[in-house]
Amino acid sequence: AQTVTQSQPEMSVQEAETVTLSCTYDTSENNYYLFWYKQPPSRQMILVIRQEAYKQQNATENRFSVNFQKAAKSFSLKISDSQLGDTAMYFCAFMKGWNSGNTPLVFGKGTRLSVIA
Amino acid sequence: ETGVTQSPTHLIKTRGQQVTLRCSSQSGHNTVSWYQQALGQGPQFIFQYYREEENGRGNFPPRFSGLQFPNYSSELNVNALELDDSALYLCASSLSLAGVPGELFFGEGSRLTVL
Repeated sequence: AQTVTQSQPEMSVQEAETVTLSCTYDTSENNYYLFWYKQPPSRQMILVIRQEAYKQQNATENRFSVNFQKAAKSFSLKISDSQLGDTAMYFCAFMKGWNSGNTPLVFGKGTRLSVIA
Repeated sequence: ETGVTQSPTHLIKTRGQQVTLRCSSQSGHNTVSWYQQALGQGPQFIFQYYREEENGRGNFPPRFSGLQFPNYSSELNVNALELDDSALYLCASSLSLAGVPGELFFGEGSRLTVL
């Protein structure tokens, strides 16, 4: 079974600064996908960024980037130029490769990020 | 293009009762999955429906059941409610093509409190 661990229950960052959220995972799969989701107080899960395990290049989406270390099974999220609207719970999630049949998301416990003005 | 909508947003039940939660998938999506998110935890997979058939289930007892309708809307039913069923229930829809799931789009959830 796959597990996802987020070791930072809470973090804070000053507006305009950079913050990194940590995530490690455990799997015996070789083909899989990793995600970071944001859950603001509105409760709706919003996809922030996605990484395919077969890609060596780290994914980037505007101010959001990841540091994917496949051998170490580490998948951290870096938020640059933090904005007040980035305040939310952030969940790291794992999904087995899409040729593995049913592939639900396996989530970590989340990191609560507060951006301070 | 409408998003994923869930109803009700909040509800309170007592132990032993039954509850039905509803989800309207994003237009064009044929797959729906349900997750349970207890307070302070990440979501846990309950089950998934593809073209009206359950095609995957997490570690939840049979009293958690579901339906997907021809218009791809969905219901989650929970019988014999227990206190530990208190949680946020999230619905997510996606478009699966040739068995390959697409990106999940989540609703805002239904918060269930069991007293």
